[in-house]
Amino acid sequence: AQSVTQPDIHITVSEGASLELRCNYSYGATPYLFWYVQSPGQGLQLLLKYFSGDTLVQGIKGFEAEFKRSQSSFNLRKPSVHWSDAAEYFCAVAPTGGGNKLTFGTGTQLKVEL
Amino acid sequence: KAGVTQTPRYLIKTRGQQVTLSCSPISGHRSVSWYQQTPGQGLQFLFEYFSETQRNKGNFPGRFSGRQFSNSRSEMNVSTLELGDSALYLCASSLQEYTEAFFGQGTRLTVV
Repeated sequence: AQSVTQPDIHITVSEGASLELRCNYSYGATPYLFWYVQSPGQGLQLLLKYFSGDTLVQGIKGFEAEFKRSQSSFNLRKPSVHWSDAAEYFCAVAPTGGGNKLTFGTGTQLKVEL
Repeated sequence: KAGVTQTPRYLIKTRGQQVTLSCSPISGHRSVSWYQQTPGQGLQFLFEYFSETQRNKGNFPGRFSGRQFSNSRSEMNVSTLELGDSALYLCASSLQEYTEAFFGQGTRLTVV
């Protein structure tokens, strides 16, 4: 069965500092990969996705992620964090050829210090 | 373009009752998926419907059911509610197979 690991439950960064959120997946083949963000009491907003091709993908709000097949990782990065980025971030995978069934990681809560 | 709409936003039900939640996908989207989000279990997949057919199902008891209508709107039903069913229920729509999912705001269900 596929699984997603987000090893950091909480991360605190200062505004303007760089950010990297880690995501590792376990799956027999290369799945489709996603990062979502959730503000308190809200739904999930898609930040970016990887289906195939260029392993560095750009998303909204200045986020990017890099797919590394050898490490089964899909880490999310942002060069300069803004206070409004404080939220919970979820990495997710969907099986290729398996419909739109997402398996999520446990999430990383990001706190931004001013 | 309107996003995914879930109604109602909040619900309070009593143990043993049943509840129906509604989801209107983005116009033109044919796939609708449902997820349960709780602090203890995180985000868990319930089921997916594509063109009125259930295509995938998660590991939930039979009390959880769903359906999709010809206009792609979807409903999920939970019968014989238990306290543990208290959660945020999220609906997501996708244009077709193997494309990104867009989520609604969710329905917060509280079972008392």
